[in-house]
Amino acid sequence: EAQVTQNPRYLITVTGKKLTVTCSQNMNHEYMSWYRQDPGLGLRQIYYSMNVEVTDKGDVPEGYKVSRKEKRNFPLILESPSPNQTSLYFCASSLAPVDSPLHFGNGTRLTVT
Amino acid sequence: GDSVTQMEGPVTLSEEAFLTINCTYTATGYPSLFWYVQYPGEGLQLLLKATKADDKGSNKGFEATYRKETTSFHLEKGSVQVSDSAVYFCALTRNTPLVFGKGTRLSVIA
Repeated sequence: EAQVTQNPRYLITVTGKKLTVTCSQNMNHEYMSWYRQDPGLGLRQIYYSMNVEVTDKGDVPEGYKVSRKEKRNFPLILESPSPNQTSLYFCASSLAPVDSPLHFGNGTRLTVT
Repeated sequence: GDSVTQMEGPVTLSEEAFLTINCTYTATGYPSLFWYVQYPGEGLQLLLKATKADDKGSNKGFEATYRKETTSFHLEKGSVQVSDSAVYFCALTRNTPLVFGKGTRLSVIA
């Protein structure tokens, strides 16, 4: 089954403790992206990747890192999480960066205390 | 830059009511337009799309027509069901990654 898999689904952590949210897709998509969803703000793009070893900042990249060492994986790293990063995070992928529908994972709800 | 504006929710309807969720966009040229749906506890799923003016996208009883003259892509359904309760996002792309509206929450009550 074609899918985007994120883990974990729920994560509670404390300020400053490094964490990684994994994302994997099995559709051989070139384009992958991370979003955060907050009430009243909709979806905001954090980082995206056009292909292996090619990543770029989205609208709200501060406090986040990503890597794209393999085509299928695109982990999101929070080196020193803060409470304002409490949010619902989505990974997504598509065949091409433009004019192509996105396939989304089921989300990771992160709480930073 | 390109942008999408959706009507604010929440929208609450009775089962079998007619649904319209308004979406207008700002973009130069001819973007591709999409509606995504997010059911509770899930990620967004593509609902329908249209890639050129006057195209009508349709899926699961939902329809939206790409209106270049009014820069709109309103979502409609003739008879909603409780299972349509979700958040709906309008989005566009024009040589850029997808730009999303803020979403409209729909609640359908029996």
